[in-house]
Formats: sequence, structure tokens, C-alpha cells
Amino acid sequence: AQSVAQPEDQVNVAEGNPLTVKCTYSVSGNPYLFWYVQYPNRGLQFLLKYITGDNLVKGSYGFEAEFNKSQTSFHLKKPSALVSDSALYFCAVRDGRGATNKLIFGTGTLLAVQP
Amino acid sequence: NAGVTQTPKFRILKIGQSMTLQCTQDMNHNYMYWYRQDPGMGLKLIYYSVGAGITDKGEVPNGYNVSRSTTEDFPLRLELAAPSQTSVYFCASSYGGQGSGNTIYFGEGSWLTVV
Repeated sequence: AQSVAQPEDQVNVAEGNPLTVKCTYSVSGNPYLFWYVQYPNRGLQFLLKYITGDNLVKGSYGFEAEFNKSQTSFHLKKPSALVSDSALYFCAVRDGRGATNKLIFGTGTLLAVQP
Repeated sequence: NAGVTQTPKFRILKIGQSMTLQCTQDMNHNYMYWYRQDPGMGLKLIYYSVGAGITDKGEVPNGYNVSRSTTEDFPLRLELAAPSQTSVYFCASSYGGQGSGNTIYFGEGSWLTVV
């Protein structure tokens, strides 16, 4: 079965410190992996994606994610957190079933950056 | 370029009432989607469309209907509102299937409460 897990409901980090938001997945075949961010009362915004190629993917707002095939993980990272990074972050993985290849979203991780 | 626009932003319905959530996109995307977001549950796909005149069920279609008469519009109809349909609804679109690595663009959400 295709699935994606975000094991932490909330991550707390002090401004200026590095942050990591975890994501693990389970799919058949090669995964397509995505990170989206949701600010309060807004829709989801695309951050970055891994399709193929370099395992380290760089995205918007200084975020990056590392694809680790052996650990089936795609953790989101940023070297120095900002208070404005506080938001809900969703990991998503391609569901290879069916012609439309729908995405499966994780349950989200709330990132709280303290000043 | 407005992106994905959905209306209304907030609505309170009584049990048994019906309503339509409107969604339109101006990016000429062939794929459109409706998701619902419940606390701690991530996003669940309700219905999707791969082009005008074609719709299909997602993970949680019961109690909803859609139509796609034009490329731009993808309304979601609730026929007999139930408290279980209290949620935040997101319309989204993409050029090509979401699982093929194509970025999904989301609307800002519609908060629906059924009392």
C-alpha cells in the first residue's frame, strides 16, 4: 500500500537554529515526493519536489530536502529558522495506482519557530 | 493571473441543505481536484477531473457531486449537508497529473460548517 508518514505533529525550534521536519514513505516503484507549506487560513503552497537526480533538492524560502532511498525518507530542512517559517508542512508522495497517479498527503507537521 | 479562485470563503449550512462550492482557474490546467482537510487528517481527495467532461471519484466522494463543463470551472456540490461534512475544502489544479511531478496549485480554501 502507498503511504506517507509525518511522525511529528509539531516541531518547535528557536529562531536561527536549524530545523528538520521528518517524512517517510512507502510506495511501489520509484517515488515522486513533494513538500507543501500552509500558512494560517491559506491554501497549500508548493515548496519543492524530488522526481529524479540529485538526492538533495533545494526549494523556496531556503528550504531543502534530502531523498534517502535506503531509509525511505524525505526530510525537510533549513539551516537557520525564521519566525516567519511557522506554518503547517505537508509531505506528499505519488500514488502509482491508477492512470492519474494521485498524490497521498501526510497528516502535516506544525512548525513553531520561537523568537 | 489569479490562479485558483474558490468561493465562498466561509459558509454555515443547516443539516439537509444543499450548496455549491465554486472553483475556477485561469492557468489552462487540464487537471482539477477537490480536497477536504480535517484536523490531524491531512488532505483527502474528494473528486478530480482530467479534463472538461471527465470526472472521477477520489478517496472520500460520498455526499458530494462535481461537474466539469469547461476547462476553467470545477464546482463541488453538497446535496444533503451533514455534520460530517464540516471541514475546510480546497480546490486545486495542475497541468498534467499531480503524481507525474507536476506542481499542484491550491485555492485559499472554503470553511464550511454544518449545524
